[in-house]
Amino acid sequence: QSVLTQPPSMSGAPGQRVTISCTGSSSNIGGGFNVHWYQQIPGTAPNLLISDNNLRPSGVPDRFSGSKSGTSASLAITGLQAEDEADYYCQSYDSVLSDYVFGTGTKVTV
Amino acid sequence: QVHLVQSGAEVRKPGTSVKVSCKASGGSFSSYQIGWVRQAPGQGLEWMGHIIPILPSTKYAQKFQGRVSITADKSTNTAYMEMSSLRSEDTAVYYCARLTSNYFDPWGQGTLVTVSS
Repeated sequence: QSVLTQPPSMSGAPGQRVTISCTGSSSNIGGGFNVHWYQQIPGTAPNLLISDNNLRPSGVPDRFSGSKSGTSASLAITGLQAEDEADYYCQSYDSVLSDYVFGTGTKVTV
Repeated sequence: QVHLVQSGAEVRKPGTSVKVSCKASGGSFSSYQIGWVRQAPGQGLEWMGHIIPILPSTKYAQKFQGRVSITADKSTNTAYMEMSSLRSEDTAVYYCARLTSNYFDPWGQGTLVTVSS
């Protein structure tokens, strides 16, 4: 099972704000390891959305933002659009497992 | 710009093995890491392991140690993931992705491996 926990689903109306949490522990997020976020539209490969806690790769709209505090991280989507309907995953590194770890995933419905 | 293209879908019987390829273009293949991530139907993402072609050096998730082998051919800029002793629970989409500073970007298009008798 995943060591990073996310809410299974979230929803919002167009234009609203949605914040997805990613809860870990002292061996991963709380241990200083960066958190990264991916968007996966059903039937397609995941796509990097946020790297190193809060950096947006080129081409990612500024409606997406990331933050990290203690043993948790968050992905915020402001001005929700229909095209944002997808699955979102957080990812970090765990020093006890010595593995890269993914969150359980959150399905966002607009 | 790095682009990863994977081999096509595979169907295998339980107990057999499968080898999936991931061909890279753009960038310097030998200098970056290629990771493998799988996704069972309706499930989340699971890191399997990665390789640094230039060394070469591999690291595997504990769950897949001994059953998965990741290799790379620098002459063709291609990475491979081979899984043995397949069981029905290994039915999944397998992705390769470049591993950079502990995150995965970009990703290949994915390869569906179906294990069924």
